[in-house]
Amino acid sequence: QLQLQESGPGLVKPSETLSLTCTVSGGSISSNNYFWGWIRQPPGKGLEWIGSISYSGSTYYTPSLKSRVTISVDTSKNQFSLKLSSVTAADTAVYYCARHDSARRFDYWGQGTLVTVSS
Amino acid sequence: EIVLTQSPGTLSLSPGERATLSCRASQSISSSYLAWYQQKPGQALRLLIYGASSRATGIPDRFSGSGSGTDFTLTISRLEPEDFAVYYCQQYGGSPPITFGPGTKVDIK
Repeated sequence: QLQLQESGPGLVKPSETLSLTCTVSGGSISSNNYFWGWIRQPPGKGLEWIGSISYSGSTYYTPSLKSRVTISVDTSKNQFSLKLSSVTAADTAVYYCARHDSARRFDYWGQGTLVTVSS
Repeated sequence: EIVLTQSPGTLSLSPGERATLSCRASQSISSSYLAWYQQKPGQALRLLIYGASSRATGIPDRFSGSGSGTDFTLTISRLEPEDFAVYYCQQYGGSPPITFGPGTKVDIK
């Protein structure tokens, strides 16, 4: 059974860079058929897709965050990562990692990790 | 960007009742790229329906999806206690971004 687990700091200061890692277990991240994505959910609000990456490193991002987002993959560690720069309080959210296929259906999700932006 | 609208915002029903959830897109989307998810507190999101009407692996047959173009529906034929949750629709319109609807909460009446 594939499992995904987010990790990283739960508190980030305004203007700094948020960094999270998703560790994939029970399967390989190096699959031609899948992409690995980040989604976030501000407290009490809905889901926002941030971006996705293939095992080969091809990325695509939501336009509203593109200038601040970098997603990378480390196949040797079976992990992929999110960096979001110049954060503000509006970036406070639960951040989820998930797998999706070419039809962009997300079939496996992590439990999510809350990141709070505050000084 | 394709915007998804879900209605109602909250649906208050009793176990055993039928739930009908609506998802409307701001422009026509391919049925192949419409999915539904269930979210419960403290749990990972769960894919229920993909391709508008296909059940994901392990999903009970009381869950069904239908629709095309701009109007899609998730139906839960008889609510079980574990079905009280928030439900999201999601689309992929063929180019970024992927978008989700705002969600419908199904709670116990």
